[in-house]
Amino acid sequence: EAQVTQNPRYLITVTGKKLTVTCSQNMNHEYMSWYRQDPGLGLRQIYYSMNVEVTDKGDVPEGYKVSRKEKRNFPLILESPSPNQTSLYFCASSLGRGLAKNIQYFGAGTRLSVL
Amino acid sequence: GQQLNQSPQSMFIQEGEDVSMNCTSSSIFNTWLWYKQDPGEGPVLLIALYKAGELTSNGRLTAQFGITRKDSFLNISASIPSDVGIYFCAGQLLFYNQGGKLIFGQGTELSVKP
Repeated sequence: EAQVTQNPRYLITVTGKKLTVTCSQNMNHEYMSWYRQDPGLGLRQIYYSMNVEVTDKGDVPEGYKVSRKEKRNFPLILESPSPNQTSLYFCASSLGRGLAKNIQYFGAGTRLSVL
Repeated sequence: GQQLNQSPQSMFIQEGEDVSMNCTSSSIFNTWLWYKQDPGEGPVLLIALYKAGELTSNGRLTAQFGITRKDSFLNISASIPSDVGIYFCAGQLLFYNQGGKLIFGQGTELSVKP
């Protein structure tokens, strides 16, 4: 089954404790992206990757890091989480550029609480 | 950055009623997408639109790509309880260096009363 898998689904942590949220897709997609969802703000892009070893900042990258060492994996790293990073996070992937190829498929989400 | 204005933010309707929501922007898009997010899940694609003026249906859902390329609407006919969720519009800009960035609206939260 074609899917985007995120782990964990729920995470409670404390300020300053490094954490990683994993994302994996089995569709051989080139493009992967991380979003955060906050009430009234919709989905805002954190980082994206157009291929292996190619990553770039989205609209709200501060406090986050990513890496793309393999095509299927795109982990989101919070080196020193803060309470304002409490949010619902989504990973998404798509085939790549061009009409129709850029339809993004989403994971089920990771709800993060930073105390 | 670019923004999409989605309205209404929330709707409370009676089962069987029709629903209409829309998105507008000051930017021009090459693609409009409509997603639905069920509680506790990620957004799932409902309809994709690729040409100005295009009108596409998916069951009881109908969406249109505005002629100006700056807006889109989604209609749901004869709503049922399982239509409950958050509906997002997303516009796609084909920038070379961003591979087709998706800009999302703020979402429309739909509640359906049986």
